[in-house]
Amino acid sequence: GENVEQHPSTLSVQEGDSAVIKCTYSDSASNYFPWYKQELGKGPQLIIDIRSNVGEKKDQRIAVTLNKTAKHFSLHITETQPEDSAVYFCAASGGTGTASKLTFGTGTRLQVTL
Amino acid sequence: EAQVTQNPRYLITVTGKKLTVTCSQNMNHEYMSWYRQDPGLGLRQIYYSMNVEVTDKGDVPEGYKVSRKEKRNFPLILESPSPNQTSLYFCASSLGRNSYEQYFGPGTRLTVT
Repeated sequence: GENVEQHPSTLSVQEGDSAVIKCTYSDSASNYFPWYKQELGKGPQLIIDIRSNVGEKKDQRIAVTLNKTAKHFSLHITETQPEDSAVYFCAASGGTGTASKLTFGTGTRLQVTL
Repeated sequence: EAQVTQNPRYLITVTGKKLTVTCSQNMNHEYMSWYRQDPGLGLRQIYYSMNVEVTDKGDVPEGYKVSRKEKRNFPLILESPSPNQTSLYFCASSLGRNSYEQYFGPGTRLTVT
């Protein structure tokens, strides 16, 4: 089955700096790569996703890049703000087996300091 | 408001006492799933359901049961809970096979002593 690795596990940046979180996946058939943000006491919430026919996608301060050859994808947050502090999860889906099954990375705790 | 609801939000129980965590969605979604979240392990899928009366095992199904008698509800059943099932549980739903975005409930924190 699919295996998703995520790095780093914790990340501390100063407000205004950029943050980058990286993930790799194992199943070359995977074709959907979402990123979820989990705030304290809440369920994960989708913030951006990318499909395998696209190399990069941006939404205001967040962007995701995908390298299918290398089987890795990354989340980029620019001009970080304190409200960006949360746990971020990458995931992969659409590979061998059930199309809707999401395999998650282990999460990155992002701390934005003033 | 479109949402996934779970009950209870917090539960402390003892080993062996059967319990059910309910999950309901009001978005007419076909696909529903249960995950558990443990420190350092991310979210791992327990069971999922592609539609009514269709359920299948995820990555960590041991010790859990599910049922899908109605489209909106997908309860998680622990017949004989054990301390290693102490975890944070999330229910999620999505439109179906070709719609990947999953909507998560607020979570249920379970402690088994």
